[in-house]
Amino acid sequence: AQKITQTQPGMFVQEKEAVTLDCTYDTSDQSYGLFWYKQPSSGEMIFLIYQGSYDEQNATEGRYSLNFQKARKSANLVISASQLGDSAMYFCAMRGMGYSGAGSYQLTFGKGTKLSVIP
Amino acid sequence: DSGVTQTPKHLITATGQRVTLRCSPRSGDLSVYWYQQSLDQGLQFLIQYYNGEERAKGNILERFSAQQFPDLHSELNLSSLELGDSALYFCASSAQPDILNSPLHFGNGTRLTVT
Repeated sequence: AQKITQTQPGMFVQEKEAVTLDCTYDTSDQSYGLFWYKQPSSGEMIFLIYQGSYDEQNATEGRYSLNFQKARKSANLVISASQLGDSAMYFCAMRGMGYSGAGSYQLTFGKGTKLSVIP
Repeated sequence: DSGVTQTPKHLITATGQRVTLRCSPRSGDLSVYWYQQSLDQGLQFLIQYYNGEERAKGNILERFSAQQFPDLHSELNLSSLELGDSALYFCASSAQPDILNSPLHFGNGTRLTVT
């Protein structure tokens, strides 16, 4: 079975500073994908960034980058130059190829980290 | 805007009642997923459809059912509602359900309150 662990229930960051949100995962699939989503207080889920298990480079999308350490099974999200609009819940999620069970093909989410950006 | 449309945005109903949540996927997406988000359980996968056929089932209660229609919109039916069914219900769609890097695009959710 797949499992995503986000150990930081809440984080604070000063505006314009960088912040790292932690995510560790567990799967027996050899091929898998890791995703980060943002959920503002308005409720919608916004896709931010993707990292494949065989990608050699860390993924980047604008101010978002993913610090992928495969041996440690971690996929931390780094947000650079934080903005007030970054205040939201952030979810790490993964999807496998299904070899570790039918359920592993679905997107499995962590419990989330609430990020608050301080002016 | 993700392109996934969910209606209604809010629903308030009483225990024992039945409700239907509706979802229109992004144009061109054949796969629809339903998720439930509650404070204690987090985001839980309920069920997936692909081009009208049920593809995978997650933690979906027997009181809940879903279908995907020929025009690809999907409905989630919740019956014999209990207080614990109060949650935010998300629909998501993806173009390719069998490709790892195909992200799910979520709608804005339907907030269900059972009183």
